[in-house]
Amino acid sequence: EVQLVESGGGLVQPGGSLRLSCAASGFTFSRYWMFWVRQAPGKGLVWVSHINNDGSSTTYADSVKGRFTISRDNAENTLHLQMNSLRAEDTAVYYCVRDWFGESLWGRGTLVTVSS
Amino acid sequence: DIVMTQTPLSSPVTLGQPASISCRSSQGLVHGDGNTYLNWLQQRPGQPPRLLIYKISNRFSGVPDRFSGSGTGTDFTLKISRVEAEDVGVYYCMQSTQIPWSFGQGTKVEIK
Repeated sequence: EVQLVESGGGLVQPGGSLRLSCAASGFTFSRYWMFWVRQAPGKGLVWVSHINNDGSSTTYADSVKGRFTISRDNAENTLHLQMNSLRAEDTAVYYCVRDWFGESLWGRGTLVTVSS
Repeated sequence: DIVMTQTPLSSPVTLGQPASISCRSSQGLVHGDGNTYLNWLQQRPGQPPRLLIYKISNRFSGVPDRFSGSGTGTDFTLKISRVEAEDVGVYYCMQSTQIPWSFGQGTKVEIK
């Protein structure tokens, strides 16, 4: 079965760090560009970051640039998002997304709560 | 960055009746490869988003044929021919022609 399963979310204090992971299965992970999209409680979808298929190119939303780092391990079929200097406004469900020329596959998401 | 604007933001519909959602982009969405990466997502309550329509009018695997997409240039439309109870949720248009991706605000479809 083709699926993406996120993990690593939780409650963290402002200024803290978390590392999200996304385990991919059922497809050739190394072929696909991968993305992180987040959704604050009761709000819409916001693009966070992308990485190309071999990890040589990455981009970030201005709101997370310099604080978040996307990476991937194609041998382990895993996508990561290292989140540092977390702020209250980073509170959201974080979705891992696979994209193939518009055909996107979404994980179920992992909730990150930044609060003291 | 491309801005996506959806209307309406709320759509109360009678079961069995049609529904229509519009989406406008702030600039054209034709990619260098000639494709237009305008996609529609459905998010049922408590669920993650799922792809309904990609490249304007292509239904994703398993999507019922009561869903259809159309449009060109900067104006696009999602239509549900006969709304069923399972269609309740929020619908988003999104563009993946250009990074950063961008999403519409979402349209909440509910039953009258």
